[in-house]
Parts: sequence; structure tokens; C-alpha cells
Amino acid sequence: AQSVTQLGSHVSVSEGALVLLRCNYSSSVPPYLFWYVQYPNQGLQLLLKYTTGATLVKGINGFEAEFKKSETSFHLTKPSAHMSDAAEYFCAVSDGTGTASKLTFGTGTRLQVTL
Amino acid sequence: EAQVTQNPRYLITVTGKKLTVTCSQNMNHEYMSWYRQDPGLGLRQIYYSMNVEVTDKGDVPEGYKVSRKEKRNFPLILESPSPNQTSLYFCASSLWVSGELFFGEGSRLTVL
Repeated sequence: AQSVTQLGSHVSVSEGALVLLRCNYSSSVPPYLFWYVQYPNQGLQLLLKYTTGATLVKGINGFEAEFKKSETSFHLTKPSAHMSDAAEYFCAVSDGTGTASKLTFGTGTRLQVTL
Repeated sequence: EAQVTQNPRYLITVTGKKLTVTCSQNMNHEYMSWYRQDPGLGLRQIYYSMNVEVTDKGDVPEGYKVSRKEKRNFPLILESPSPNQTSLYFCASSLWVSGELFFGEGSRLTVL
């Protein structure tokens, strides 16, 4: 079975500061990894994903994440936070076999951006 | 516009009164799924469907039913709602079972 752990249910950063949201996973097979963002009163939308290939993945709105197999991590970063980044962020893992596999989501990290 | 549409967006009901939350997607996706979102628990999968007439239980299926008679529609049925089903529900679809999920805007259900 696969699982996802997001460290920190709430993270607060100042505008312009580095954003770092942590995600660790467990999977018995090579994982597919995703970050989704949920803005207030909206559904989730994909920020970025890792399937195979390059381990540094760039997403929308200046976010990126690095797949580190040795650390079983997929942390999300952004060099400079903007007020519009305030949202809840979910890391998710899938075994990627395509046979009745499904995404397992973490419990989410709420990002607050202050002036 | 590609989208997943859920209705109703907000609903207050009473214990035991059957209700259906509809979900429709216009992207010709084979895979559809229902999730519930609760504070501190993230998203938990209720049911999913790989294609028409193919459905399977997720992590928290108790108290829910689904059907997939058409590719575009995947309704969630609560036969006898109880207060512990008060939650925010999301429908999602995907072209590929492990690929990008497209989410609806959510349906907030309160069971009194």
C-alpha cells in the first residue's frame, strides 16, 4: 500500500520569502507523484507531476518539486512567495501501474502568506 | 470549456432522507472518482469507476452508492444520510487512471 505524509498542516511565510512544503511518500513500486493546489471555495487543480525522467519538475505559478528516491521525498518549493499563493496544497502518490491504481492524498498543508 | 460539474453545490438535509449528488464531465474521460474532504483528514476516496458499468470501492465507501451508466455521468447516492456524512464532496475525472485528475468545485453537504 502507498501512503503520503505532509509535514506541517500550516505553514506561514512572508511575501517574497522561500516557500517549502514537505512531502514524503511510501510506495512498493516506482511512484507517480503529484502536487495539487486548492484555492478557497474551489476544487483542486494540478500544480505539477512526476512520472519518469527528470527528477526536478517545474509546474505552474513558479512552483517546482524534486523527486528524491533515496529520501522518498517530493518537496514543493517556490523561490519567492506571493500573496496569491495562499491556498491549501496536497501531495499525492500513485503506483502508476494503470490497473485499478488510484491516487492517495496527503492531509494537506495550508500556506499563509503575510506582508 | 473542459469541466467537471457537480450539483448541488450546497445542501442541507436531514437524517435518512435520500439524496443524490450529480457529477458530469465533458472531457470523454474513462476514469471518474468521488472524494470527501474533512479537516485534518485530507481527501479520502469513496468510490471510483474505470469505465461504464465498472465501479469499485475506495477507502471510505460505507453509506454511499454510485452508478456509471453513461461515460460522462457518475452520481453519488446517499440512501440514508447520517450526520457523519456531513462533509465537502468532490468529483474528479481523468483520461488515464493515474494521470491528472480534473476536479469539480465541490458539494458541501450538511446532514442534520
